[in-house]
Amino acid sequence: AQRVTQPEKLLSVFKGAPVELKCNYSYSGSPELFWYVQYSRQRLQLLLRHISRESIKGFTADLNKGETSFHLKKPFAQEEDSAMYYCALSGQMGRRALTFGSGTRLQVQP
Amino acid sequence: DSGVTQTPKHLITATGQRVTLRCSPRSGDLSVYWYQQSLDQGLQFLIQYYNGEERAKGNILERFSAQQFPDLHSELNLSSLELGDSALYFCASSVGDVSYEQYFGPGTRLTVT
Repeated sequence: AQRVTQPEKLLSVFKGAPVELKCNYSYSGSPELFWYVQYSRQRLQLLLRHISRESIKGFTADLNKGETSFHLKKPFAQEEDSAMYYCALSGQMGRRALTFGSGTRLQVQP
Repeated sequence: DSGVTQTPKHLITATGQRVTLRCSPRSGDLSVYWYQQSLDQGLQFLIQYYNGEERAKGNILERFSAQQFPDLHSELNLSSLELGDSALYFCASSVGDVSYEQYFGPGTRLTVT
């Protein structure tokens, strides 16, 4: 079975501080990992995926297969980054379904 | 709105009843996915359809069923409702059968009383 764990329900930082949202996964095969974000009153949307190795809105995430982690990082948090962040894994069912973590609420204070 | 749409936004019904949730995918998308988000279970994959055919099945109860119609919209039918079925039900769509990027709708909030 595949599982995604986000250990923090809430992460509160001050504007300009570094941010790291933790994500650990368990999956026996080769996973595809994603970060989805949900801003207030908006729908869930894809933030980034590990295969593209890109930086979106200053966020990056590196897949560490040894530690089975896919932490989301940003060097300097902005107030507009406040949102709910979900780590997701695609592996089983021919990679058709996403398995989501429980989510971390990021609160960036001024 | 060319994004994923879901109706209704809110639904309140009693235990034992049956409801139908509707989803229209983004223009051009052939896949539709259904997810359930509850307080205790988080976001869980229920089922996926691609161009009218069921392609993947997750933790979907036997009381729940879904279908995708020729115009590609999808319906999720929930029957013999229980209090524990109260949740947010999300629909997502993607272009292909196996897609890394799924576009989510705003969700339908179901309350079973």
